[in-house]
Amino acid sequence: GDSVTQKQGQVTLSEDDFLFINCTYSTTTYPTLFWYVQYPGQGPQLLLKVTTANNKGISRGFEATYDKGTTSFHLQKASVQESDSAVYFCALFNSGGSNAKLTFGKGTKLSVKS
Amino acid sequence: AQTIHQWPVAEIKAVGSPLSLGCTIKGKSSPNLYWYWQATGGTLQQLFYSITVGQVESVVQLNLSASRPKDDQFILSTEKLLLSHSGFYLCAWSQQYAEQFFGPGTRLTVL
Repeated sequence: GDSVTQKQGQVTLSEDDFLFINCTYSTTTYPTLFWYVQYPGQGPQLLLKVTTANNKGISRGFEATYDKGTTSFHLQKASVQESDSAVYFCALFNSGGSNAKLTFGKGTKLSVKS
Repeated sequence: AQTIHQWPVAEIKAVGSPLSLGCTIKGKSSPNLYWYWQATGGTLQQLFYSITVGQVESVVQLNLSASRPKDDQFILSTEKLLLSHSGFYLCAWSQQYAEQFFGPGTRLTVL
């Protein structure tokens, strides 16, 4: 089955630092990959979508890129702000059959200190 | 614009008691609907999905059931709660096989 590995459980940065979160995945299909952000007490929000066609997505200053050779995709931001503090999940989308199944990584908790 | 509403916002229930959680999507016709469960500090695990009224598929067995009585409504329930049911329940929708959008969630505490 599909799997997603997100090894960084927690990342602590200062404002204006560079952010890099990596995910690796395993699937037998052509994947569509997502990054979701979850603020405390809220549901996850879609942040970025990356497909094998475009290899890259950009939103709200975040950039997600995909590397088929290493079956990895990562999230980066040049300069984080305190308001970026949240949990970031990578997710693999598999539309096999009639279930559009999202397989989530374990999440990376980002804490940004001012 | 589409809106997704979940109720209640939070519940505190006793072990062995029944549970019913609801989700409503407005502004989207015939969406795919999903239920997810999230342990505190954990990842999201898909529980059920539905592509049409009256049809619900189970993904994980957790002594829970789901129903879709209307096109815009998804219900999660159980007759007997367990301690392990505590967590954050999230409803999501998608348009066919596109990206999924999540509701605000229901926090459940089982004592």
